[in-house]
Parts: sequence; structure tokens; C-alpha cells
Amino acid sequence: DVKVTQSSRYLVKRTGEKVFLECVQDMDHENMFWYRQDPGLGLRLIYFSYDVKMKEKGDIPEGYSVSREKKERFSLILESASTNQTSMYLCASSPTGYYGNEQYFGPGTRLTVT
Amino acid sequence: DQQVKQNSPSLSVQEGRISILNCDYTNSMFDYFLWYKKYPAEGPTFLISISSIKDKNEDGRFTVFLNKSAKHLSLHIVPSQPGDSAVYFCAASASTRAGANNLFFGTGTRLTVIP
Repeated sequence: DVKVTQSSRYLVKRTGEKVFLECVQDMDHENMFWYRQDPGLGLRLIYFSYDVKMKEKGDIPEGYSVSREKKERFSLILESASTNQTSMYLCASSPTGYYGNEQYFGPGTRLTVT
Repeated sequence: DQQVKQNSPSLSVQEGRISILNCDYTNSMFDYFLWYKKYPAEGPTFLISISSIKDKNEDGRFTVFLNKSAKHLSLHIVPSQPGDSAVYFCAASASTRAGANNLFFGTGTRLTVIP
């Protein structure tokens, strides 16, 4: 079974704090993704990585950065948290393949910025 | 610009009846489509997929239909069960570049199955 774990299920941070969200997958997947989910907006891609030390911007990268030092770990960083970053954050991984491989999701981190 | 659209934010169905969830897409390069199911406070889980070389794929109570000319797909659940109550996301990808396999998600449809 593929397992994607996220460091926290719930997190409360103050405006201006630096926030780290960690994601670990145990299936040796090359690709990893960070999304945020907001009501009525679905899942929006923040950043993704298809190899160690590689990263690419998704649809909404502003205010976020990422780090992938090891294959199994992909971190999302909020440099200076703001209230509009209150959201559900979802990490996913997938193997490399030419044809639309499914992504496996972690349980999510509900982040509240006050 | 939303490339994958789910125009019905919610759907209620009686237990035992058919649930039909719809999805439209705009990008003609999409050639692989997936449905995910999401319970509250959990991550989405993969449900069923279909490639553009097919027009139907079945897995137990779940069937996905693809109409490429209309850029439309639908998920049928028969019979619907209360445990199917969840948010369903449609997703699409284009196999134009090996490696990344980004998925484009719709906004989701909340299905409620009434006992």
C-alpha cells in the first residue's frame, strides 16, 4: 500500500510566522505535489517536483516555497503566513510514467492562520 | 482559467438509486481522466480512471463514461449507498511530457446519499 504522510493534521499559526509542512512518501515515487483545497475552488496546485532538488511552480505559488532534499520528502514553506493562507493542504505523490499516473494523497493538514 | 469543470456543487440521491456526476473539460490535449473521492478531514482517494482510447470503464458499482467529442465525462454509481456520501473530484491529465503527470482538478461535487 502506498503511504503518504503529512507531519500535522491540524496547525494553528500566527500571521507573519514561518510555517513548514512536511510530506513523506514510502513508495519511491519520483513525483511529489502540494495542493491547497478551498471550498468552491477544488484542488489547486502550488508546487510540484519530479526529482530530488527539482521543483516547478504550479498555479498558485505566490507566498510559498518548497524543498526536496531527499526523494521521499517534500516540504512546503510559508515564508510569512497570512490569513488568506488558511486552508487544507494536501500532499500527493506519483510514479514516473508517460501516461497519466494516479496520484496518491496524504491525509491533509488543516492550517489556520490567525 | 478552469480547464476541468464540475458545474454541480452538490447532488442528493436516494439509497439504491443511480448517482450521476458530471464533468466537462476544455483542453483537447487531455487524454487521461480520473475520479477521486474525498471524505471530510481525509485526503482524496483514487476511485476510477479512463483513457481517451476508451469510452467506458467499469469497476463494480462505478462506471465512468467518456464523450470526447463533447469533452464530457460522467461517473455513474449504481446502486448508491450511504457510504458513498463524499465529495467527488474529476481530474484530467495530458500525456505530452513524461515525468510530471500533472493533474487538473475540477471543483468537486458533494454527493449525499439519503438512506
